[in-house]
Amino acid sequence: QVQLKESGPGLVQPSQTLSLTCTVSGFSLTSYNVHWVRQPPGKGLEWMGRMRYNGDTSYNSALKSRLSISRDTSKNQVFLKMNSLQTDDTGTYYCTRDLLDWGQGVMVTVSS
Amino acid sequence: DIQMTQSPSFLSASVGDRVTINCKASQNINKYLNWYQQKLGEAPKLLIYNTNNLQTGIPSRFSGSGSGTDYTLTISSLQPEDVATYFCLQHSSRPLTFGSGTKLEIK
Repeated sequence: QVQLKESGPGLVQPSQTLSLTCTVSGFSLTSYNVHWVRQPPGKGLEWMGRMRYNGDTSYNSALKSRLSISRDTSKNQVFLKMNSLQTDDTGTYYCTRDLLDWGQGVMVTVSS
Repeated sequence: DIQMTQSPSFLSASVGDRVTINCKASQNINKYLNWYQQKLGEAPKLLIYNTNNLQTGIPSRFSGSGSGTDYTLTISSLQPEDVATYFCLQHSSRPLTFGSGTKLEIK
């Protein structure tokens, strides 16, 4: 059974760095792509970037200067790091396998 | 970036009604268009991929159509459990972009 679960701090201070982990099971990171998507409260969805099955990454150009996606295949984990957080980065962050299977999401609030 | 214009933003219909939701891309997306359903407090759920392919386990009352820049999600007979927000997603080119969503309610 395919599962993805996001984890990370619920509260981040402005200007700090967000670090999230997506832990997967039921599939191999070397066979499928994992995307990160976020959603501000009450608003729409934004594609952030992707870790490809072969280790390549691609990013939304609007976030590229702040965003990094990496992985540890031995731990079945994909990581998101985004720096210089501001209040409009508040929202629910999802990881998804090929935009088909989704994690439950993790709520991140940027506030002092 | 490809812009996805989704309409309507809000829709109220009766049980049994036929409902259509539209997405228009700012350029040809070659049928690389998915539809998602998101219920309150939940993650998005894939309904239709690549314009007209029904995801496994999704009821057959959901269908998709379109080509070029214009795409449609149809619910043939609205059910109470279909109350949700619906999003389209183009995955023709990066950055992938979503429509702004259609909130569907029962009259």
